[in-house]
Amino acid sequence: AQSVTQPDIHITVSEGASLELRCNYSYGATPYLFWYVQSPGQGLQLLLKYFSGDTLVQGIKGFEAEFKRSQSSFNLRKPSVHWSDAAEYFCAVDPNTGFQKLVFGTGTRLLVSP
Amino acid sequence: KAGVTQTPRYLIKTRGQQVTLSCSPISGHRSVSWYQQTPGQGLQFLFEYFSETQRNKGNFPGRFSGRQFSNSRSEMNVSTLELGDSALYLCASSLALTGSGDEQYFGPGTRLTVT
Repeated sequence: AQSVTQPDIHITVSEGASLELRCNYSYGATPYLFWYVQSPGQGLQLLLKYFSGDTLVQGIKGFEAEFKRSQSSFNLRKPSVHWSDAAEYFCAVDPNTGFQKLVFGTGTRLLVSP
Repeated sequence: KAGVTQTPRYLIKTRGQQVTLSCSPISGHRSVSWYQQTPGQGLQFLFEYFSETQRNKGNFPGRFSGRQFSNSRSEMNVSTLELGDSALYLCASSLALTGSGDEQYFGPGTRLTVT
């Protein structure tokens, strides 16, 4: 079945430490891949996207993500986490069906400890 | 450039009533998509509108409907509200220059509570 999996529901990271959030997808062809962030009571903000080409993509707020076709993964990383990064992060897939549609993972809530 | 706006931001309705939510996309964006976010089901795609036509629909009952106007503004309607319709309803807009994969920009959402 086509799906997007974020295996970690919660992650706690110390401020200044590095971060990696995992995302795996299950689609026949390479879909379009996105990461979004949601702060409490807010909408979703686009962090970055992957369409094709270079497998390491840079986004806003110092985030980057690496696409690995062999592992069907698109993990989000940040070298040094700030307290303001505490939020919920969603991996999303556009299955490339000819319409604008996103399929979201269940999200990972990031807690940042001092 | 102004972002996606949604009105109202908060809404409380009673079971059996109907509700209409509004979304104004980013200027120049032609596609508007709607999503429902609940703690139990997460983020789920409702439908997408492009040039006043519904192009794609998610797995929701017919009580959920929408429309898009010539200025790309969109409304969604939920009739005969049920308790389970309580959710954050998010609207997203995109240029839709290609069929798929365009960046979608989200509004702040409308928090609907059904009592």
